[in-house]
Amino acid sequence: DVKVTQSSRYLVKRTGEKVFLECVQDMDHENMFWYRQDPGLGLRLIYFSYDVKMKEKGDIPEGYSVSREKKERFSLILESASTNQTSMYLCATQDRLNEKLFFGSGTQLSVL
Amino acid sequence: GQQLNQSPQSMFIQEGEDVSMNCTSSSIFNTWLWYKQEPGEGPVLLIALYKAGELTSNGRLTAQFGITRKDSFLNISASIPSDVGIYFCAGHGSGNTGKLIFGQGTTLQVKP
Repeated sequence: DVKVTQSSRYLVKRTGEKVFLECVQDMDHENMFWYRQDPGLGLRLIYFSYDVKMKEKGDIPEGYSVSREKKERFSLILESASTNQTSMYLCATQDRLNEKLFFGSGTQLSVL
Repeated sequence: GQQLNQSPQSMFIQEGEDVSMNCTSSSIFNTWLWYKQEPGEGPVLLIALYKAGELTSNGRLTAQFGITRKDSFLNISASIPSDVGIYFCAGHGSGNTGKLIFGQGTTLQVKP
């Protein structure tokens, strides 16, 4: 079974803090993604990566950056957290052979 | 850009009833995926479809890849309380290199 592990299930941060969300996968997949999920807005793509050190902006990259130094790890960084970044963050990894996307359990981030 | 319309937005049904939901796209897709998300968790893959007309089952769940390649359907037979959750469709067209387009989700509630 594919395992996608997100470092925290719940996180509370203050406005202006730098926040790191970590995601690790054990399937040697090249493709990894970060989404945020908000009620009524569905899943929105923040950033994705097709390989180590490669990154591409998704639909809502503003206020975020990412890091992919190792194949198994894809980090999402909030440089200066704001209250409108309170959300559920979902990491996913993708099998290129069949396009299946596998999600982690999510991190519910609250920015106060 | 490509858009997915998923309907209905929500359903409240009696245990034992059958459920149908669908997604339509503004353009042709080569892959359709169906996910279920339970509260506080990440989406879990239910069914993957790769060919127009394909019909695939997973227990009480059956999904179909529409013949026009612009739609897909998910049916749940004889619903039970643990079917509760949000069901998402996702599609992959040509030229968007791994990125999936997600529907807005169908929230299913089952009354025992």
